[in-house]
Amino acid sequence: GQQVMQIPQYQHVQEGEDFTTYCNSSTTLSNIQWYKQRPGGHPVFLIQLVKSGEVKKQKRLTFQFGEAKKNSSLHITATQTTDVGTYFCAGRGDNFNKFYFGSGTKLNVKP
Amino acid sequence: NAGVMQNPRHLVRRRGQEARLRCSPMKGHSHVYWYRQLPEEGLKFMVYLQKENIIDESGMPKERFSAEFPKEGPSILRIQQVVRGDSAAYFCASSPTMNTEAFFGQGTRLTVV
Repeated sequence: GQQVMQIPQYQHVQEGEDFTTYCNSSTTLSNIQWYKQRPGGHPVFLIQLVKSGEVKKQKRLTFQFGEAKKNSSLHITATQTTDVGTYFCAGRGDNFNKFYFGSGTKLNVKP
Repeated sequence: NAGVMQNPRHLVRRRGQEARLRCSPMKGHSHVYWYRQLPEEGLKFMVYLQKENIIDESGMPKERFSAEFPKEGPSILRIQQVVRGDSAAYFCASSPTMNTEAFFGQGTRLTVV
């Protein structure tokens, strides 16, 4: 069945360092979404990618969708303590009517 | 436009009791999703509903769990005869269509004692 794998599970960085989380699917995705969940909070939508090879930027965040539409990444440049939280990808396959969430990458930023 | 409203925020139930979790989607949203999240874990899909219809309940346990989204009123996730393993955060999300961003509620933290 549809599976979305996300790595790493945890990442500890010093403030100012970069951070990347990767999302891989066993099947081709029609689109992929990224969410951020702060500790004790609820997931908040960040972005959706639809096109093969698509790259989108939001300030220090860069999102990529692979050419084969089976993988995606989120890169944060020069992390800040406000970036702390868990980042989830959620992918939807062509034949599926829901998004499958990855297990998330928990980011901790040391000041 | 109020966001997705879930209540209660916290719910404590004794083993064997019933838990009812409510979710009012954002205005104009007819698609509702329920997810379960254990501490330090990801979001596990439970059920997808669209006004009065269950579209996909492949993530729902076969017994004790049920969900509805009536024509009027909130979506309800019902857990009968709760057990300790049901303790988790239950999130509801809504969207205007299937393929757009989902807006999450603040969740209901269920504790079974």
